[in-house]
Amino acid sequence: DAGVIQSPRHEVTEMGQEVTLRCKPISGHDYLFWYRQTMMRGLELLIYFNNNVPIDDSGMPEDRFSAKMPNASFSTLKIQPSEPRDSAVYFCASSSLRGSNEKLFFGSGTQLSVL
Amino acid sequence: KQEVTQIPAALSVPEGENLVLNCSFTDSAIYNLQWFRQDPGKGLTSLLLIQSSQREQTSGRLNASLDKSSGRSTLYIAASQPGDSATYLCAVHSGGGADGLTFGKGTHLIIQP
Repeated sequence: DAGVIQSPRHEVTEMGQEVTLRCKPISGHDYLFWYRQTMMRGLELLIYFNNNVPIDDSGMPEDRFSAKMPNASFSTLKIQPSEPRDSAVYFCASSSLRGSNEKLFFGSGTQLSVL
Repeated sequence: KQEVTQIPAALSVPEGENLVLNCSFTDSAIYNLQWFRQDPGKGLTSLLLIQSSQREQTSGRLNASLDKSSGRSTLYIAASQPGDSATYLCAVHSGGGADGLTFGKGTHLIIQP
């Protein structure tokens, strides 16, 4: 398996523009997570899905953020409109949570810069 | 609310030394604890996972210990190599739900050749 695949790797946009981040989880994993990483706050969970259904979106900072998972192999995180404070690295991770020995597998992340 | 702290924030040691990274957490009611490695510009790679009923896990030159009652975990790296240079993050799973994973901010490790 190629692992968790995220695109794009880097995104530079201007304030007010819409940004869409994409993620393909590992095949067979039924949990998908979106995290945001900044120097100040570290890694923060934004939202996670189980079997394509959003379970907890309490980490989504504002209504400007939305996430979808239309099928088991694809998810998007959208920011509209984007703001400079959204600049961060956004990670997607997937897991097969069976038993207590689950591990999270992370993608390489999307480095977002909002000017 | 679970809080995870990693000390030190940064560490630089000569090649060949044994070293210990520390992780502490405030709520001892955990499900498991994981240590991750993050290389610059890359995602996180899971190194070791310790279940709440376990005391330690070993993988090659890495050994992770868990003392739930005191809210502490350590990652021991033996005979350090320049390739071990990375940021190491500790993450605690505080419940049966997937949303219970809380990360520390990591220790940035540099191994000097």
